[in-house]
Amino acid sequence: KQEVTQIPAALSVPEGENLVLNCSFTDSAIYNLQWFRQDPGKGLTSLLLIQSSQREQTSGRLNASLDKSSGRSTLYIAASQPGDSATYLCAPCTDKLIFGTGTRLQVFP
Amino acid sequence: EPEVTQTPSHQVTQMGQEVILRCVPISNHLYFYWYRQILGQKVEFLVSFYNNEISEKSEIFDDQFSVERPDGSNFTLKIRSTKLEDSAMYFCASTRGAKNTEAFFGQGTRLTVV
Repeated sequence: KQEVTQIPAALSVPEGENLVLNCSFTDSAIYNLQWFRQDPGKGLTSLLLIQSSQREQTSGRLNASLDKSSGRSTLYIAASQPGDSATYLCAPCTDKLIFGTGTRLQVFP
Repeated sequence: EPEVTQTPSHQVTQMGQEVILRCVPISNHLYFYWYRQILGQKVEFLVSFYNNEISEKSEIFDDQFSVERPDGSNFTLKIRSTKLEDSAMYFCASTRGAKNTEAFFGQGTRLTVV
């Protein structure tokens, strides 16, 4: 059974910092892994999809890496902004997405 | 940009009542999902649906739950007799393919059972 852990659980930083959010998963037989953003009381916004054959994927200030064999993914956020404040969820995918508990990020001015 | 839409955004119902949550997936997507998130907890998989039948369901998806694609656009989740513990945010998602495609989620329906 897939178990997903995200570290840290919460993070509070001044704007401008470069951030690293970590995700680990127990079952490496995944097709892909998605990172999502969730604002309080809202839906899930897809940030990045990284295929199991890829090592990394970039979108703007976001970069996700994947080490499938060790069951790890990392989301890098460059030059953080207050608008980045949200919960970030990692979800490896087999036939369905399995979500971690998320990292709650607060970026203050 | 195509998006998954869910209605209603918020539903309050009395315990024991039936509710139907509605979703319109992205039009060229073939795989449909329901997930739920109890307040303060993880997003959990409920059910996946393809080719007009359930592909997989979780332990949560018991006989009180059912899904249907009544026409070419809607995808519904029915809870037959709601319990207090069914209170959660319910998310619909869709993907174009089975394995290597991005999942898109709706904004959710907040279900409150009183």
